[in-house]
Amino acid sequence: QKEVEQNSGPLSVPEGAIASLNCTYSDRGSQSFFWYRQYSGKSPELIMFIYSNGDKEDGRFTAQLNKASQYVSLLIRDSQPSDSATYLCAAEGGKLIFGQGTELSVKP
Amino acid sequence: SQTIHQWPATLVQPVGSPLSLECTVEGTSNPNLYWYRQAAGRGLQLLFYSVGIGQISSEVPQNLSASRPQDRQFILSSKKLLLSDSGFYLCAWSREGPPTNEKLFFGSGTQLSVL
Repeated sequence: QKEVEQNSGPLSVPEGAIASLNCTYSDRGSQSFFWYRQYSGKSPELIMFIYSNGDKEDGRFTAQLNKASQYVSLLIRDSQPSDSATYLCAAEGGKLIFGQGTELSVKP
Repeated sequence: SQTIHQWPATLVQPVGSPLSLECTVEGTSNPNLYWYRQAAGRGLQLLFYSVGIGQISSEVPQNLSASRPQDRQFILSSKKLLLSDSGFYLCAWSREGPPTNEKLFFGSGTQLSVL
């Protein structure tokens, strides 16, 4: 069964620090990977996607992909309290497979 | 720009009652449409997806059903709700569907409580 695994957290970081969120996936055939942010009681919002090995940067967010290790990560630089949310990792494997999400708390 | 509407936002239903959740998309044609369910503290479970009018694929056997009577309308239904049907239901759309799921855009969700 295709799976995406994330640490459920909560991950707590101080304001201004780098938050590192990790995700592993089981399907070696997956080609596309996505990070969604979900505030409590709200719907997920796409914040990053990555298709190629290496890093992809967008503002304070950097997605990293290592297909050999089947590992995806999301770095959030200069973390802000408004970044406090659950972050869902998803891998495309015939359909999108979502992890259970990592709760991030940024403390002022 | 494209928008997705989902209603109602919250719903409390007794066990055994019927269910109808509706979702519509504006600003695009022939979208791929999805219904997901999220149990408390859990990831998203794909329930149904549709690549066109009348075309429904079911991912998980259950007492729920979906229909797509119009290009940009997707409906989730049940004849008799179970306690286990409680959860956060999300409608989503994308421009490209399975097998390669490109970026999903979600509606605001319906919090369903079956009592």
